[in-house]
Amino acid sequence: NAGVTQTPKFRVLKTGQSMTLLCAQDMNHEYMYWYRQDPGMGLRLIHYSVGEGTTAKGEVPDGYNVSRLKKQNFLLGLESAAPSQTSVYFCASSYSPGTSGDPYEQYFGPGTRLTVT
Amino acid sequence: QKEVEQDPGPLSVPEGAIVSLNCTYSNSAFQYFMWYRQYSRKGPELLMYTYSSGNKEDGRFTAQVDKSSKYISLFIRDSQPSDSATYLCAMRKSGAGSYQLTFGKGTKLSVIP
Repeated sequence: NAGVTQTPKFRVLKTGQSMTLLCAQDMNHEYMYWYRQDPGMGLRLIHYSVGEGTTAKGEVPDGYNVSRLKKQNFLLGLESAAPSQTSVYFCASSYSPGTSGDPYEQYFGPGTRLTVT
Repeated sequence: QKEVEQDPGPLSVPEGAIVSLNCTYSNSAFQYFMWYRQYSRKGPELLMYTYSSGNKEDGRFTAQVDKSSKYISLFIRDSQPSDSATYLCAMRKSGAGSYQLTFGKGTKLSVIP
């Protein structure tokens, strides 16, 4: 049981380049989330998904797109990277309310450190 | 005013000390309160959660919620060097969309042997 995994762990991009961050979970969770963590800003929600094929915007969605084609995977895309997107990105997943398991706990991945130059 | 305020520290204490970490919030709709622990270069992990006002104890950790003051605390007794981490408070509302968490900025704690 690997929990939540993220690929890649590190990446350096030049301004204007694109990339996709992959998140995978093996806990059969319905809900998945993408956060960014910046010094002095805490964790901020970018996008989230409440099930396969569904996505929604969080607090800071601009410049990012997401897709949830399979229940276990949640992809975060940067179409044209900007230096302001330099951050540590965390994926998380959780059960949905009403299902077995604690619906309140979000399980986090190890993070992806992205630098945009 | 941000919805959740948390002093970022850093906080440095000697081993064995009692540590008090705190958050204040402004939105009275928050009903569930959590503390996450994040070690350096790792993802956050849930430490404790409580529903509404009151205390909850788990080993050396006690979470306290005072909804009338919109104030939550985490106490660590007999602190250990292994407790050195950043502690994030998080809150959520009840009802539709309640799975979304609002985080504090985190308090960095160092426990000195």
